[in-house]
Amino acid sequence: DQQVKQNSPSLSVQEGRISILNCDYTNSMFDYFLWYKKYPAEGPTFLISISSIKDKNEDGRFTVFLNKSAKHLSLHIVPSQPGDSAVYFCAATTGGYQKVTFGTGTKLQVIP
Amino acid sequence: NAGVTQTPKFQVLKTGQSMTLQCAQDMNHEYMSWYRQDPGMGLRLIHYSVGAGITDQGEVPNGYNVSRSTTEDFPLRLLSAAPSQTSVYFCASSRAGDSYGYTFGSGTRLTVV
Repeated sequence: DQQVKQNSPSLSVQEGRISILNCDYTNSMFDYFLWYKKYPAEGPTFLISISSIKDKNEDGRFTVFLNKSAKHLSLHIVPSQPGDSAVYFCAATTGGYQKVTFGTGTKLQVIP
Repeated sequence: NAGVTQTPKFQVLKTGQSMTLQCAQDMNHEYMSWYRQDPGMGLRLIHYSVGAGITDQGEVPNGYNVSRSTTEDFPLRLLSAAPSQTSVYFCASSRAGDSYGYTFGSGTRLTVV
C-alpha cells in the first residue's frame, strides 16, 4: 500500500517557466512533509519541508503548498533552471521524524 | 565532517551469499535508516533505528538484518542474497526532532546474480 504517491513519473519544463510537482498521501496521521532532490549516482538531499499546521512554506525559488483536506501537496519551482533537472521525492512522517515514507519520485527535466 | 559514509559503493553477489553493507555517520545523529531504491518504486524503508540498541522494521524488512551497537554505525546484513535484492541501497541519519529530515549517504549499488 503506497501511502505517498507521485503520479507523474516525469515532467519537462522550459527554462524560466514554473515547475509544479505533485504528491498525494493517504495516511491522515502524517503531520510533516518533505521534498528531496536526487541527482544520478548521489544520495537524496533535503530541499524543503512543511508542517501540517501550515499551508505554505517558501524558500527562495521553491515553495511547497499543503492541502490537508485533499491530502495533497505540491512543490513549485520558479523560475526553473537547468540545474534543477533531477528526481524529486515527496516524503512524509509523523511526530518525531523517526520513520520517513517516500513517494516514487518525479524526474524533472528543465530544457534550456 | 564526512557525513554519512557507505561502503562498498558497488558489489556483485551470487545467489545465496551473505554480506554486510556498512554505514557510518559522524554527526552524532540518533536516528538512522536503510532504504532501497528500485525503478518505479521510489525509496522504500527497510529498517530504522532511533538509538543505539533500538531497531525496528520498515516496509520491506524480509531478508535483511540490522543491529545498532553504537550511535555511529548501522550495518545492514543480507542473510542469503536473492536476485530480488538487486537494488541501490541508501543509508541515512537524522538528529532526533530535526525538521530537516535525513542526511543520506551516496549509496551502494548491489547486483545479485
